Amino acid sequence: DTEVTQTPKHLVMGMTNKKSLKCEQHMGHRAMYWYKQKAKKPPELMFVYSYEKLSINESVPSRFSPECPNSSLLNLHLHALQPEDSALYLCASSPSWRFNSPLHFGNGTRLTVT
Amino acid sequence: AQTVTQSQPEMSVQEAETVTLSCTYDTSESDYYLFWYKQPPSRQMILVIRQEAYKQQNATENRFSVNFQKAAKSFSLKISDSQLGDAAMYFCAYRRPTDKLIFGTGTRLQVFP
Repeated sequence: DTEVTQTPKHLVMGMTNKKSLKCEQHMGHRAMYWYKQKAKKPPELMFVYSYEKLSINESVPSRFSPECPNSSLLNLHLHALQPEDSALYLCASSPSWRFNSPLHFGNGTRLTVT
Repeated sequence: AQTVTQSQPEMSVQEAETVTLSCTYDTSESDYYLFWYKQPPSRQMILVIRQEAYKQQNATENRFSVNFQKAAKSFSLKISDSQLGDAAMYFCAYRRPTDKLIFGTGTRLQVFP
């Protein structure tokens, strides 16, 4: 069982739609992450939140907008996406941003942009 | 720049046998962590094992162990008594203080009965 819960599991959206991905953890972790993973590739970091503040934005296009309403929740708002944004989006959390703090991943949301 | 290389895109092993997955990395840092993550078809990335660069003793977790050669910048994963459930994509990863996790390109492991 995963301790990081992501919803929805699958999402199909058009290029003009607005949708949101949700991630939730109740392990008391204070760092949360969004990753994008294309098929047969390693995950690529998008955003890092530490203590509910955005710490890292890996030059992600503004059509992806993260939000951290509280220490347990992390959202990724999507708007005007392109077909090349189709990928698996993984959320992760860790006790802290410290480098020895292992990441716990969710099962991901499989996004298809049509 | 830090890089992580996994030279084996695919590996296969028979059930109950042992297999070793290779990983090399490039860094000028002395303090860092190394990880092996497993990603089965369920898509979840699962931490298999981790190793701190300052510890000389190789990490072990049940059937999983590593061979950490700091001078050679090598971090291989040995899976003993392989099981069908070990079939997955395995990613080696590196992290230095205050920096992001850097993944290798992955090795797909198949386990045959």
